[in-house]
Amino acid sequence: EDQVTQSPEALRLQEGESSSLNCSYTVSGLRGLFWYRQDPGKGPEFLFTLYSAGEEKEKERLKATLTKKESFLHITAPKPEDSATYLCAVRETSGSRLTFGEGTQLTVNP
Amino acid sequence: SAVISQKPSRDICQRGTSLTIQCQVDSQVTMMFWYRQQPGQSLTLIATANQGSEATYESGFVIDKFPISRPNLTFSTLTVSNMSPEDSSIYLCSVSQTLNTEAFFGQGTRLTVV
Repeated sequence: EDQVTQSPEALRLQEGESSSLNCSYTVSGLRGLFWYRQDPGKGPEFLFTLYSAGEEKEKERLKATLTKKESFLHITAPKPEDSATYLCAVRETSGSRLTFGEGTQLTVNP
Repeated sequence: SAVISQKPSRDICQRGTSLTIQCQVDSQVTMMFWYRQQPGQSLTLIATANQGSEATYESGFVIDKFPISRPNLTFSTLTVSNMSPEDSSIYLCSVSQTLNTEAFFGQGTRLTVV
């Protein structure tokens, strides 16, 4: 059974203080790993898709990386507007469902 | 990307009643999914709804409780039947064009059962 574990559960940063969020996964075969951002009261907003180990994607202050067992979401010089819950999800090769982790709640203080 | 509209955005319902949630997409999509997100928790897949076939339900979810329709490639409904307070949650519609591409989400329907 697919498993996705995110850490930490919550992270509080000062504006400009870079850090990383972790997503560890266990699947029989990885079709894709997806990162989402979710603001309170809204649906998840798509950020990145990663397909194979060694792949990296960047968007503004965010950079996602992938290994065979985990993915990292690096946040460089975060701003208060980066505060949100970040969700990681995997889709395995044999199915269509996305399995989500519990998320990391990020707070960036000014 | 796809623009997904869900209705209603929120509702307060009496126990024992049913609520139908609508999901409208601005383009034709192959796969549609319905998720539940309980307060403070992550997303749990209820069922996959592909046009032209019966919905496929995940373990713990049954058709009698959560009937789904998918009449065409841009629309789906999820009904929450015979509601109890335990059904209070956010229900989310999601779409993907292929198995290799990302899923997009609607804004969700916040349901409170009293």
